[in-house]
Amino acid sequence: DQQVKQNSPSLSVQEGRISILNCDYTNSMFDYFLWYKKYPAEGPTFLISISSIKDKNEDGRFTVFLNKSAKHLSLHIVPSQPGDSAVYFCAASDNTGGFKTIFGAGTRLFVKA
Amino acid sequence: DTGVSQDPRHKITKRGQNVTFRCDPISEHNRLYWYRQTLGQGPEFLTYFQNEAQLEKSRLLSDRFSAERPKGSFSTLEIQRTEQGDSAMYLCASSHSQGNEQFFGPGTRLTVL
Repeated sequence: DQQVKQNSPSLSVQEGRISILNCDYTNSMFDYFLWYKKYPAEGPTFLISISSIKDKNEDGRFTVFLNKSAKHLSLHIVPSQPGDSAVYFCAASDNTGGFKTIFGAGTRLFVKA
Repeated sequence: DTGVSQDPRHKITKRGQNVTFRCDPISEHNRLYWYRQTLGQGPEFLTYFQNEAQLEKSRLLSDRFSAERPKGSFSTLEIQRTEQGDSAMYLCASSHSQGNEQFFGPGTRLTVL
């Protein structure tokens, strides 16, 4: 039962262009969403998050959009840089039911110079 | 503070042996999480602690798995009678009680022969 789905295993983008990573969820109780970035041989690192009371959160080159009716969120990276090449995980938690966090399978982003 | 640390980084064991992993969280964090990650998948929640109390365990955590956080600081994850299917990366993360953002350690890669 995959409650958080990232349907694109990989994405390739030219440097300077926009990267859009997508994530869908099924559990309507999720009220907080996060994106993590992972380089090889390292643990995931937190990138950006959004509460279910918002529909957009921006931090520098990174913006997360949340569409609750569609149970969909996306991460936009603009402009993309070669150093952004990594695996990106979408994650969701239900804070009223505890703080267990459910992760998607990840999308590997390649940013070509 | 240098972040979340995990020991060992790699463990190779024979089927049927017991193994124990250690996690040292960021010192002021009172929540600690254990995840398992296999190739091509995101981190799968195993269990989490608030201080020394284990508040939730996943159905993935069979009777062979046990986790402790005796003094509310470091934690150990023990796997008894290891099986080949236990081969995975075991990740530990910690967080403040007021935040959803989790800080991950580098993981312990377990190989069961």
